[in-house]
Amino acid sequence: DAKTTQPPSMDCAEGRAANLPCNHSTISGNEYVYWYRQIHSQGPQYIIHGLKNNETNEMASLIITEDRKSSTLILPHATLRDTAVYYCIVRGANFGNEKLTFGTGTRLTIIP
Amino acid sequence: GAVVSQHPSRVICKSGTSVKIECRSLDFQATTMFWYRQFPKKSLMLMATSNEGSKATYEQGVEKDKFLINHASLTLSTLTVTSAHPEDSSFYICSAPTRKRPDTQYFGPGTRLTVL
Repeated sequence: DAKTTQPPSMDCAEGRAANLPCNHSTISGNEYVYWYRQIHSQGPQYIIHGLKNNETNEMASLIITEDRKSSTLILPHATLRDTAVYYCIVRGANFGNEKLTFGTGTRLTIIP
Repeated sequence: GAVVSQHPSRVICKSGTSVKIECRSLDFQATTMFWYRQFPKKSLMLMATSNEGSKATYEQGVEKDKFLINHASLTLSTLTVTSAHPEDSSFYICSAPTRKRPDTQYFGPGTRLTVL
């Protein structure tokens, strides 16, 4: 079973920041929070991941609460191409062999 | 990022035939590849883990004799759906981590299988 809880859908106006929440209250100390997204009929795309600290890359920012029980993915200036299903995934540190367990994700729709 | 390709992108076949789907890592070597299946409006479900030079590891409920996986080289894994039936119609996606970035999986574009 997925270890995360996400809202099923969200809308965001084009050009505004999209904030996607994720609850992972049972996360273990050595587990990471990953975000992927899947545009319709394509394979998932890696966005960002983090352990404790907030992270930022060219695509997004990841804010993890101090107790690590929840996180927020921020797309700073959403465009129509950001319309996709966003998956928040908790995984261990056995990199390379650790499988990803996908939940139902959040369907983000960017409104023109 | 690393590039993973799949072939074919879509395939239509008759019930009872077998279909082979290829997953290639184009610019890196992949000792491990993962195969997922996604039904319409559903999330991705892991089917099996493909290991180069050894037998694949199947998830519970996935028939290993029906979904044959071969990982004969460091850049190619194949999934063969044997004796396909309409209920096997789905979106099949592979992924692989790279040695440089073992913490990240790169996904192929997927293969849409329709069994008539």
